Amino acid sequence: RKEVEQDPGPFNVPEGATVAFNCTYSNSASQSFFWYRQDCRKEPKLLMSVYSSGNEDGRFTAQLDRASQYISLLIRDSKLSDSATYLCVASEESGNTPLVFGKGTRLSVIA
Amino acid sequence: EPEVTQTPSHQVTQMGQEVILRCVPISNHLYFYWYRQILGQKVEFLVSFYNNEISEKSEIFDDQFSVERPDGSNFTLKIRSTKLEDSAMYFCASKGGQGVYSPLHFGNGTRLTVT
Repeated sequence: RKEVEQDPGPFNVPEGATVAFNCTYSNSASQSFFWYRQDCRKEPKLLMSVYSSGNEDGRFTAQLDRASQYISLLIRDSKLSDSATYLCVASEESGNTPLVFGKGTRLSVIA
Repeated sequence: EPEVTQTPSHQVTQMGQEVILRCVPISNHLYFYWYRQILGQKVEFLVSFYNNEISEKSEIFDDQFSVERPDGSNFTLKIRSTKLEDSAMYFCASKGGQGVYSPLHFGNGTRLTVT
């Protein structure tokens, strides 16, 4: 089975905090990985792709550990606007294969 | 920025009725998808479509479901005889390239309620 597992949370953190989310995937054929953000009752929106070497985009850092089949997302200096559900996503090598979504981790940033 | 648009935003239907969910993908995109999300659950793949045919479909996409690209701009999902368990948010998505990191653009969804 192709599964992506995440801690559902919720993570309740104060503004300015650093928070980390973890994710594991079961399909060893997965080749591309992403973090999406989903606000309540809205569509998923791509936050960042996750590359083998790890990558950073402003306050967000994503890491991939293929050996452990583990992906992480670190958010530094949390803002109120970061409150959302963060979806970990994996896909097999072919560009047209479907995305497999985790159930998401809910983050609430509190003033 | 170009968007994927979906109509209607909310559809209420009675069990056993047919529904058609409509999507207009981004105009130069070639790959089209339907996903669904039951309330409180994860986003699940239904079907992918390329070059006027289905590329891949999930176990959820049974004979009650069909997709069509009737006129080169719309991409529709039809559910022939709706069941209560079809109630969910249905997201259309499209992307322009086949690259593994080619971004997938989602529409804002149609919330289907089957009563």
